[in-house]
Amino acid sequence: NAGVTQTPKFQVLKTGQSMTLQCAQDMNHNSMYWYRQDPGMGLRLIYYSASEGTTDKGEVPNGYNVSRLNKREFSLRLESAAPSQTSVYFCASRAGTGVNSPLHFGNGTRLTVT
Amino acid sequence: GDSVTQMEGPVTLSEEAFLTINCTYTATGYPSLFWYVQYPGEGLQLLLKATKADDKGSNKGFEATYRKETTSFHLEKGSVQVSDSAVYFCALSDFNNDMRFGAGTRLTVKP
Repeated sequence: NAGVTQTPKFQVLKTGQSMTLQCAQDMNHNSMYWYRQDPGMGLRLIYYSASEGTTDKGEVPNGYNVSRLNKREFSLRLESAAPSQTSVYFCASRAGTGVNSPLHFGNGTRLTVT
Repeated sequence: GDSVTQMEGPVTLSEEAFLTINCTYTATGYPSLFWYVQYPGEGLQLLLKATKADDKGSNKGFEATYRKETTSFHLEKGSVQVSDSAVYFCALSDFNNDMRFGAGTRLTVKP
């Protein structure tokens, strides 16, 4: 009963380095999301994928890219990390695109960029 | 665009006290409304939801009523416990497949 699994849990990068955050869900959900959480700002949507093969920008997409590898997996890539990308990143999934469906979250990746 | 505003924290209460966390929203359509809870080191978990005006969501002693006339979805609990200490997020979901979150309210309950 894993739900949404994110790796790694913690990461420290130097400015300019790249990395990929991994996310997988085992609930057969169609939609997947990447959010970042910053103090006092709640969660802000970076990218989402309504279904396999599609991705769309959210509120704060600059500096990020995503790949919906298959129905289960949705990765987030930082090509050239900046200190402003220090944050906690959450992946989430949702059964459908209807407004009534809640999100199911992973436990997050805490990223520090020095 | 759509947005959610919730009361700033932190909120500190004694065990068995009454809890209210205010949440108001702005939306162009007919959103569904949610409360999520986040315990330390974990992701957000759904606490309750309401999908139309006058609906009341409830779970684990928490309640919130969808008030269209005041665009509000305040979270209440009659008697809080130490185990309720967490960060609470109000959120709305509208037609564009997004979910918008408030800034979060940290609740600490002291024995």
